[in-house]
Amino acid sequence: AQSVSQHNHHVILSEAASLELGCNYSYGGTVNLFWYVQYPGQHLQLLLKYFSGDPLVKGIKGFEAEFIKSKFSFNLRKPSVQWSDTAEYFCAVNANNAGNMLTFGGGTRLMVKP
Amino acid sequence: EPEVTQTPSHQVTQMGQEVILRCVPISNHLYFYWYRQILGQKVEFLVSFYNNEISEKSEIFDDQFSVERPDGSNFTLKIRSTKLEDSAMYFCASSDQTVKASEQYFGPGTRLTVT
Repeated sequence: AQSVSQHNHHVILSEAASLELGCNYSYGGTVNLFWYVQYPGQHLQLLLKYFSGDPLVKGIKGFEAEFIKSKFSFNLRKPSVQWSDTAEYFCAVNANNAGNMLTFGGGTRLMVKP
Repeated sequence: EPEVTQTPSHQVTQMGQEVILRCVPISNHLYFYWYRQILGQKVEFLVSFYNNEISEKSEIFDDQFSVERPDGSNFTLKIRSTKLEDSAMYFCASSDQTVKASEQYFGPGTRLTVT
């Protein structure tokens, strides 16, 4: 069965610092990859997604992620975080043989200090 | 912007009771999903629903669970006889195409507490 790992459970950064959140998955076939964000008190929202093509994907609010197939990774990055990026970030994977099911990582709670 | 809505936001029930969690997916969407997140654990897939039938379900989705689209707008999750371990946040989601072509839009969740 596929699984998704997010190694950083809690990250604390100061404003303007650069961010990289790790996401690794275990599935050898074709995958569709997603990053979702959950701001305090709000629902899960899509930041960006990768289906095929350019492995460097740009999303909303200045976020980007790079799919590295050889490393089974889809890390999320932002060059300069803001206080408003304080949220929980979830990586999710859909394997091509897994219907429409999303498998989520455990989430990374990001706190940005003003 | 259209949103997935869920009611109630918090449901408290006693063990053994039946609960129905309600969701209103985005109106032109065709694929519907339930996920849950037990406190401190990962978000887990429960079931997907398309064309008025279950298209896939996880091991968690046993005979105690059922889903229904009783009319053109609602999508419900029923738990027949709740257990303490059913306490979790339940998320409904919908999409206009399969997940291989489109994102899933999530609702705000219903927190179910079984006492």
